[in-house]
Amino acid sequence: NAGVTQTPKFQVLKTGQSMTLQCAQDMNHNSMYWYRQDPGMGLRLIYYSASEGTTDKGEVPNGYNVSRLNKREFSLRLESAAPSQTSVYFCASSEYDSLNNQPQHFGDGTRLSIL
Amino acid sequence: AQKITQTQPGMFVQEKEAVTLDCTYDTSDPSYGLFWYKQPSSGEMIFLIYQGSYDQQNATEGRYSLNFQKARKSANLVISASQLGDSAMYFCAMREVIQGGGSQGNLIFGKGTKLSVKP
Repeated sequence: NAGVTQTPKFQVLKTGQSMTLQCAQDMNHNSMYWYRQDPGMGLRLIYYSASEGTTDKGEVPNGYNVSRLNKREFSLRLESAAPSQTSVYFCASSEYDSLNNQPQHFGDGTRLSIL
Repeated sequence: AQKITQTQPGMFVQEKEAVTLDCTYDTSDPSYGLFWYKQPSSGEMIFLIYQGSYDQQNATEGRYSLNFQKARKSANLVISASQLGDSAMYFCAMREVIQGGGSQGNLIFGKGTKLSVKP
């Protein structure tokens, strides 16, 4: 049971470098999400994708771009990394129904440090 | 705007005792869902339990139960018979139910409570 797979698990970047965080889910979910987790802040939504071909901004989208490559994959890109983007990044997916009671399933996270 | 408040940054409980983790929420929508997640030191987010705003009964999942008081806008997690493996961060989250499509009813998280179980 792979569930939600994120790569890489750890990454160190220099300020100004770019990189893409990868996420793939094998649960046939329509919706996918990217969160960041900072100490004492809980999880905050960066971007989400309601379905293949659509993406929308969340609470903290500045400095990030996303691509919903297909139903399985949702990537997060940092074009010019900044120290403020040092964080743990989580990808999640969920099914969507009219009651909206389906839990989001999370990957194991990517720990990203920007020097 | 929707908001989740967890007022206990950290808590201790003796092994085999019960513990309650507090969560209050603020929303003007009549339809919403409340979720609890566990984050052990290894870092993954584990879904524990769900409560819908229209559910008549408190949710239960094994040793986890939810004390849902709608009028007070609280959804406290109760863990019975605590185990050493329950030591972790616990997050309360809320999701809006959006009728007719549009937003996916994204989760709003509280800042979490760190639970430590003492042997």
